Amino acid sequence: DIQMTQSPSSLSASVGDRVTITCRASQSISNYLSWYQQKPGKAPKLLIYGASTLQSGVPSRFSGTGSGTDFTLTISSLQPEDFATYYCQQSYTTLGYTFGQGTNLEIK
Amino acid sequence: EVQLVESGGGLVKPGGSLRLSCAASGFTFSIYSMNWVRQAPGKGLEWVSSISSSSSFIYDADSVKGRFTISRDNAKDSLYLQMNSLRAEDTAVYYCARSYCTSGSCYFDYWGQGTLVTVSS
Repeated sequence: DIQMTQSPSSLSASVGDRVTITCRASQSISNYLSWYQQKPGKAPKLLIYGASTLQSGVPSRFSGTGSGTDFTLTISSLQPEDFATYYCQQSYTTLGYTFGQGTNLEIK
Repeated sequence: EVQLVESGGGLVKPGGSLRLSCAASGFTFSIYSMNWVRQAPGKGLEWVSSISSSSSFIYDADSVKGRFTISRDNAKDSLYLQMNSLRAEDTAVYYCARSYCTSGSCYFDYWGQGTLVTVSS
């Protein structure tokens, strides 16, 4: 199984800050990586797929980079509505679409 | 507008069974692969099962293999998850999610609101 490890597990930041979340795969997954945002009591929302392609309707302050085993999600200037939990997910193999453990982004 | 509406959750005793449904609307259901993802209380997301558009390919997480069965009825625009031999650790919100496939891989682009399954005596 491919394991996905996110860091940090939690993060405190202020409105306007630039924030980066990292996701590492236990083996190469090419660019088959997506990022989701989840707010309390709500379903996850797809932000980025293919490691760097922004889903339609997602603000351009969100960006993704990486390939192989190391990936990052960056929010260039945090907005109040961005405080949420973020998950990465690998889709390299249909035998198991593994998620990372999540990063809880909180207001400082 | 794409909509996915889950139903069928509830309280069930360990060893019991439950069948979840997901009603799809706003898109051509029959051409999309579909998935179930769950989230235990206060925990992260866990992929459970996937089914291709024509039901030709089915993939299950090891944690549910042999106990859960994903299926679909394209005539009814519906996705199902039959859950048998339920355990306390199956307690979670269960989401159905649509697969968006591009450039050799698939991502979950639309999600339902979820249905809560509680396994407890």
